[in-house]
Amino acid sequence: KQEVTQIPAALSVPEGENLVLNCSFTDSAIYNLQWFRQDPGKGLTSLLLIQSSQREQTSGRLNASLDKSSGRSTLYIAASQPGDSATYLCAVKANSKLTFGKGITLSVRP
Amino acid sequence: SAVISQKPSRDICQRGTSLTIQCQVDSQVTMMFWYRQQPGQSLTLIATANQGSEATYESGFVIDKFPISRPNLTFSTLTVSNMSPEDSSIYLCSVEPKGTNRNAFFGQGTRLTVV
Repeated sequence: KQEVTQIPAALSVPEGENLVLNCSFTDSAIYNLQWFRQDPGKGLTSLLLIQSSQREQTSGRLNASLDKSSGRSTLYIAASQPGDSATYLCAVKANSKLTFGKGITLSVRP
Repeated sequence: SAVISQKPSRDICQRGTSLTIQCQVDSQVTMMFWYRQQPGQSLTLIATANQGSEATYESGFVIDKFPISRPNLTFSTLTVSNMSPEDSSIYLCSVEPKGTNRNAFFGQGTRLTVV
């Protein structure tokens, strides 16, 4: 059974800092990996999608990497801003199902 | 991409009653997915809804408790039946439109509180 882990559960950083969010998964036989953002009480916004054959994807200040063999992904956020404060969820797709981590709640202090 | 409209956005319900959540997509999709997110927890898949056939439920979820309809390729409903406080969660629908490499898109969610 696929398990997705995101540690730490919460992170607080000062504005302007570059930061890395980690995600690990137990079964490397995945179709893709996706990073989402969730604001309090809201739905999910897709940030980046990495196919199993890819190593990384970039969108603006965000860069996601994937090391399938080691079961790890990272989301790099450059020059963090208070508006980046949210919960970031990692999810892996395998056997047509998405398995989510519990998320990392990020707080960027002005 | 896909634009998903989910209604209601939130509700407070009495225990023992039922609530039907609607999910409307701006394009035709083969499968629609219903998730639950309990407080402080991650998302758990409830069921997958295909048009023209019965929904496929995940372990721990049953049709009597969470009946699903899928009358066409752009619409689905999830009903939470005979509610108890343990059903208080955010319920989300999701789709993976064609041509997006199975990129998952989500509605804004329905925040349900059962009192």
